Amino acid sequence: EVKLVESGGGLVQPGRSLKLSCAASGFSFNDYWMGWVRQAPGKGLEWIGEINQDSSTINYTPSLKDKFTISRDNAQNTLYLQMSKLGSEDTAIYYCARAPYWGQGVMVTVSS
Amino acid sequence: DIVMTQAPLSVSVTPGESASISCRSSKSLLHSNGITYVYWYLQKPGKSPQLLIYRMSNLASGVPDRFSGSGSETDFTLKISRVEAEDVGIYYCGQLLENPYTFGAGTKLELK
Repeated sequence: EVKLVESGGGLVQPGRSLKLSCAASGFSFNDYWMGWVRQAPGKGLEWIGEINQDSSTINYTPSLKDKFTISRDNAQNTLYLQMSKLGSEDTAIYYCARAPYWGQGVMVTVSS
Repeated sequence: DIVMTQAPLSVSVTPGESASISCRSSKSLLHSNGITYVYWYLQKPGKSPQLLIYRMSNLASGVPDRFSGSGSETDFTLKISRVEAEDVGIYYCGQLLENPYTFGAGTKLELK
């Protein structure tokens, strides 16, 4: 069973950075592309980007590429999302994805 | 980016009746490998989206066979036969053919 557990969310001040983690289990992590999706409160789904198996290719939604950095550690079966210069518009639930499967998500609230 | 347009935005259904949700893509989602990369998700209140249908017409594991997906290269339909109370939520279509992956705005299903 594919299991994806996000962590690292919480309340962060505007302009600060935050790094999310996703612990993967139930499959061979280093065989799959992995990605992140987010959902602002009461809004739809927004794909952030994805990373290939050996981290040689990372694709971002163009409008978000300057704010987010996706990385992975295959030895630890862990995916990361580094977020920088956060604003209120980044308040959302962030989901880890092994498309088409998603985790339960972690809430990030950007507020002073 | 590929635009996914869902209709209707909301639907009210009597338990035991059927419901259909439409989704249209701005570009063909048929890959040269013969696979159509459209997916359907259900987001129940307070939960993360769960996969219902993958690659246009394949039922995800554990999903009741009351759900079915069909379509062409750009027009897709999710049908729910014999709607039950547990089917309430927001339904999203999404395309996983081309980066950035994109999703419809969602269709809210309620019971009459």
